Parts: sequence; C-alpha cells; structure tokens
Amino acid sequence: DTAVSQTPKYLVTQMGNDKSIKCEQNLGHDTMYWYKQDSKKFLKIMFSYNNKELIINETVPNRFSPKSPDKAHLNLHINSLELGDSAVYFCASSQTEKTQYFGPGTRLLVL
Amino acid sequence: GDSVTQMEGPVTLSEEAFLTINCTYTATGYPSLFWYVQYPGEGLQLLLKATKADDKGSNKGFEATYRKETTSFHLEKGSVQVSDSAVYFCALSYGGATNKLIFGTGTLLAVQP
Repeated sequence: DTAVSQTPKYLVTQMGNDKSIKCEQNLGHDTMYWYKQDSKKFLKIMFSYNNKELIINETVPNRFSPKSPDKAHLNLHINSLELGDSAVYFCASSQTEKTQYFGPGTRLLVL
Repeated sequence: GDSVTQMEGPVTLSEEAFLTINCTYTATGYPSLFWYVQYPGEGLQLLLKATKADDKGSNKGFEATYRKETTSFHLEKGSVQVSDSAVYFCALSYGGATNKLIFGTGTLLAVQP
C-alpha cells in the first residue's frame, strides 16, 4: 500500500501552460505539505494544510495555488508555467505536529 | 532565523568504511532534529530523529545524537554498504501548528565496492 502518492511522476510541458499535480495520502493524517526541490537538491516548504485549512504559504508566487478538497488530498495547480518552475515537487503528510512522510515526487520540466 | 548547515559532498567511501556526515543548526528555540535519506530517483524517507537534547536516534545502523552544547546532529554509521549510496538531508522542526521542516542542503554519499 502506498502511503503518500503523487500523480503524475513526470511532467514535461511548455512555458505558459497551466498544470496540476495531485497528492493523496491514506495514513489518516490531518496535515499535508508541498515542498519544492531545486536542481541543486535544496528542499524548501511551499504550503501546508491542516484539516483543509491553509497554514503555511511561504512567499510562493500566486501562480501556485494549492487546493485541499478533503483531508486526504492536496493538489497543486500552477498557472503560466515558467522555466524556473522546473523542479521536483514533493508532497508530504503528518498527524498535526508529528513526523512527516513524503511521496515519491513529481519531476516537472518546463521547456 | 533558523537554519541547518551540512557538510558539502560528495562523500565517497569504500564499502565497510566509517561514515560521518556533519550537521549543525541554528535555532531560536528547541526543535526536533531529523535525518532524511533520498535514494536515486525516489522520495525522502525518514531515517532517524531526536526530539530533545542528548537523545540518540538510530535506525539501520545509522545513529545521531542531539548535542545542544555544540548545536550539532552528526550522522554516523560504523560500516557503510553500497546500498547506502544516497543523498542525506539533515532537518529541524518545531512541530506545532506549522510543523514545517527546515532542511540542510543535502550531502551525497557514494559508496564504492
């Protein structure tokens, strides 16, 4: 059983397009997160949701819009994609302030 | 602000060598400390953690001790294997409502047979 899953695993698209990445967790956790890993492997948090409520928004451009339809899902929609958005995006989940569990990542390449 | 500093890689070792990856942190409070591992092409997995000073986290032969006096959380393993080749991330978190992880830059470990 996959605890935290993301789709798609790979995403190649053109500049200016709009795309979405989906995340689902079956751990019963109430908090979910999006992290961005750049080409140098540096990881930084983007957003977190607790019980569908936005908790963290770390100075991310407003082209990025997270949406949490329920506690088990946190999707990331990106408008007007730019070259600099190319990265690996990781979803994670936890039970409130407990240990975070990460998904396998979505590798986004903007051409 | 809070931050985590890791030794730069890559670290290249022969199989069965002793491993140390240094990690130091700057924190305004008393965070929990973590080591995550990322195998090639995969996501992050929690390797070990420690929640307070002098705690030792351990897993799969790896261990790290939370040292408040030196603000360090160095990762060690007595005998590495080729299968340990991965990127290792040190991180801190205060838990609470935000619970965000602040990561170091990662250290690539390459173990040669």
